[in-house]
Amino acid sequence: AQSVTQLGSHVSVSEGALVLLRCNYSSSVPPYLFWYVQYPNQGLQLLLKYTSAATLVKGINGFEAEFKKSETSFHLTKPSAHMSDAAEYFCAVTSGSSASKIIFGSGTRLSIRP
Amino acid sequence: GAVVSQHPSWVICKSGTSVKIECRSLDFQATTMFWYRQFPKQSLMLMATSNEGSKATYEQGVEKDKFLINHASLTLSTLTVTSAHPEDSSFYICSATGGARGASTDTQYFGPGTRLTVL
Repeated sequence: AQSVTQLGSHVSVSEGALVLLRCNYSSSVPPYLFWYVQYPNQGLQLLLKYTSAATLVKGINGFEAEFKKSETSFHLTKPSAHMSDAAEYFCAVTSGSSASKIIFGSGTRLSIRP
Repeated sequence: GAVVSQHPSWVICKSGTSVKIECRSLDFQATTMFWYRQFPKQSLMLMATSNEGSKATYEQGVEKDKFLINHASLTLSTLTVTSAHPEDSSFYICSATGGARGASTDTQYFGPGTRLTVL
């Protein structure tokens, strides 16, 4: 069985500050991990994915995430927040096959203060 | 590449009517498509998984006779909400996986969603 837990349903940071969104996973098989972003009334956009290659994954819009097996974590970071980063962020896990179910976390809403 | 579209983007219907939502993979062959529903301020809940040419596999608690899914081609899946009621009002999102033309088989690509409001 697989699951993801996102710590903090709402994170607020100042513009220019570090963004850190936390995600911990549970998986009985080597996981594939994803971060998706959702803007209001829109679908999900893939930010980045980990598929057992490099543990530090760089994504779009300056985001990156590090896979830490010992901590079962896949936290999302961005060095300097921008107003346009305000959105809902979902961490997700799957076993990696094309037809496997993707399990989503509960989501973290990121707000950016001017 | 790897673009998924949905039509319509929003729909309002009367209680008791049926609504069809289309999900298309525009530049890759989607061997598997997924349908999710999302209530306000909540995460996505998987409704069903469909493989081209096969019957959809529904998640526990999802009524297959109410949410009809057809995946007749490698680029199109449809979700029909039959006899819709106000409690069916939600944001419905599809996703697709497949290969070629920039799409990876290990990644789900999501459509923009369809907002359904049942009066």
